[in-house]
Amino acid sequence: QQQVKQSPQSLIVQKGGISIINCAYENTAFDYFPWYQQFPGKGPALLIAIRPDVSEKKEGRFTISFNKSAKQFSLHIMDSQPGDSATYFCAARDQGGKLIFGQGTELSVKP
Amino acid sequence: DAGITQSPRHKVTETGTPVTLRCHQTENHRYMYWYRQDPGHGLRLIHYSYGVKDTDKGEVSDGYSVSRSKTEDFLLTLESATSSQTSVYFCAIRGQGTDTQYFGPGTRLTVL
Repeated sequence: QQQVKQSPQSLIVQKGGISIINCAYENTAFDYFPWYQQFPGKGPALLIAIRPDVSEKKEGRFTISFNKSAKQFSLHIMDSQPGDSATYFCAARDQGGKLIFGQGTELSVKP
Repeated sequence: DAGITQSPRHKVTETGTPVTLRCHQTENHRYMYWYRQDPGHGLRLIHYSYGVKDTDKGEVSDGYSVSRSKTEDFLLTLESATSSQTSVYFCAIRGQGTDTQYFGPGTRLTVL
């Protein structure tokens, strides 16, 4: 019940295309859903986050779509750029304030 | 970066030896976390701290211990390293009443 399942494991997108990464969870008590971006050799950095009372949040080219009834949320990267090539992690926060991470998606944006 | 340093950044050690990793913050944040990152597993929580001398176990705590004697330092110890503990270890911090966890640069540990 504490798992967060992320897909796909890897994704190749052409420059200018839309990248979509999906996550699913079971625990309905999760109260905060961040997405982290990680470049090789670096620590993860917060990209965008959403709370379950909101269905969508947009920051620049990055959008989180949240479906509470389906217990799913996704990250959309519009107009994907080679500089977006990185590993992306979704996460969910439990009642104790701990983050449960998905398995990660390695995104490659081809020029 | 959010004022987090980890040391060492790289370490190679042998099975059975003790290893201590250090996380140091300059933000005076209350919460500190240790994660390990392995391919296909994302980041998994090892231990966390909610104040000086206040720590608790995470998802994968077996074989690890932690200590926090000062707000700014959180130590992770492998009492007797095993090859299964070869991983990249990340420290994270979070301020009280805030949502965001800020991650350090990581320590790559190899146990031969």
